[in-house]
Amino acid sequence: EAGVAQSPRYKIIEKRQSVAFWCNPISGHATLYWYQQILGQGPKLLIQFQNNGVVDDSQLPKDRFSAERLKGVDSTLKIQPAKLEDSAVYLCASSFSGRGGDEQFFGPGTRLTVL
Amino acid sequence: SQKIEQNSEALNIQEGKTATLTCNYTNYSPAYLQWYRQDPGRGPVFLLLIRENEKEKRKERLKVTFDTTLKQSLFHITASQPADSATYLCALGNNDMRFGAGTRLTVKP
Repeated sequence: EAGVAQSPRYKIIEKRQSVAFWCNPISGHATLYWYQQILGQGPKLLIQFQNNGVVDDSQLPKDRFSAERLKGVDSTLKIQPAKLEDSAVYLCASSFSGRGGDEQFFGPGTRLTVL
Repeated sequence: SQKIEQNSEALNIQEGKTATLTCNYTNYSPAYLQWYRQDPGRGPVFLLLIRENEKEKRKERLKVTFDTTLKQSLFHITASQPADSATYLCALGNNDMRFGAGTRLTVKP
């Protein structure tokens, strides 16, 4: 079974530039998550999709971050414009149903460096 | 505000010993708790789930306890091996899931 795919793996941009990340979850998984992991910290949930609807985006900085999951399959996360403090690893995860306690399968992440 | 604390940033033990990692939380009543393993440059990998009405779960050399009175979970790795060296994350959840910062475990041969 193929895992969660993410691209690119690494990205370096200047502050105020835009960047987009792509995620393809495990086939058949209804729930997709985007997390931000700053060095030395645990992952922080940015947004959770159930199929193509948003379940939780309470911690998403909506003035600069946006995400979509068209057709309930793959997803993109965009930052526009980027700030220095956005430097982090962006992890995508998926789970079968999204019910409480459901195991989450994580992708390898995209490491973003903002200069 | 809700707080999740994992004991010490790093834990070093000798091969063959039992590693015990702690996850404490405040201002939170999670319905479940999960433990994940994260290796450098990779995403977290699920290890164990324990629900609020369960005291203990085991899986091979892994054991997790969940004390809702103490607001604490203990994660044990028995007969530890160098291959167990990684960062271990606890995650608490109700409708959402929140992660601790992790404990970096090093098992020395």
